[in-house]
Amino acid sequence: GAGVSQSPRYKVAKRGQDVALRCDPISGHVSLFWYQQALGQGPEFLTYFQNEAQLDKSGLPSDRFFAERPEGSVSTLKIQRTQQEDSAVYLCASSKGWSQETQYFGPGTRLLVL
Amino acid sequence: SQQGEEDPQALSIQEGENATMNCSYKTSINNLQWYRQNSGRGLVHLILIRSNEREKHSGRLRVTLDTSKKSSSLLITASRAADTASYFCATDDSGGSNYKLTFGKGTLLTVNP
Repeated sequence: GAGVSQSPRYKVAKRGQDVALRCDPISGHVSLFWYQQALGQGPEFLTYFQNEAQLDKSGLPSDRFFAERPEGSVSTLKIQRTQQEDSAVYLCASSKGWSQETQYFGPGTRLLVL
Repeated sequence: SQQGEEDPQALSIQEGENATMNCSYKTSINNLQWYRQNSGRGLVHLILIRSNEREKHSGRLRVTLDTSKKSSSLLITASRAADTASYFCATDDSGGSNYKLTFGKGTLLTVNP
């Protein structure tokens, strides 16, 4: 079956520009996660949704980062007024249940802020 | 912040040899997972081992877990060039947010044909 998909795969933004990154989780998966992966590092947690409820946004680096999942399926991660330090790969993952389960990752969106 | 530390940071072997990667972590966990990431691609789930398990096998993969030492190892037997990738361990936190994963920095494995 279809896995997690993300779009766009690559995004180049000028500093100060707003960007929106989309994630389509596996159908029927309750939980959805966003992670940020800097070059040469492991992914770091950004935020967690259980259906449409954002239960944890403790990993969002600043108030320029905003995520939503209004209908409990597709999610969008928005970054306002992008800065060079936002350059990274943004990974989305979904899991079937609420916790302690395998998370399935999408291919990621590689964001480059110039 | 990163919880896990993979060791070594990089490993280069010949096709057919075995590869062993280690992971250490800091908190109590419910489970530990290993993921593979090919260059420029997403993470592929390899195996999950629960805190009450000591060893698990999946094909050419063998994972061990020692919760007393807070460490895990991933063994890939009879390696192939296609195994070339970065390997990450990821843990949850049984005493805190048990839904989010904390990753190490990864081990870059190169399998030479």
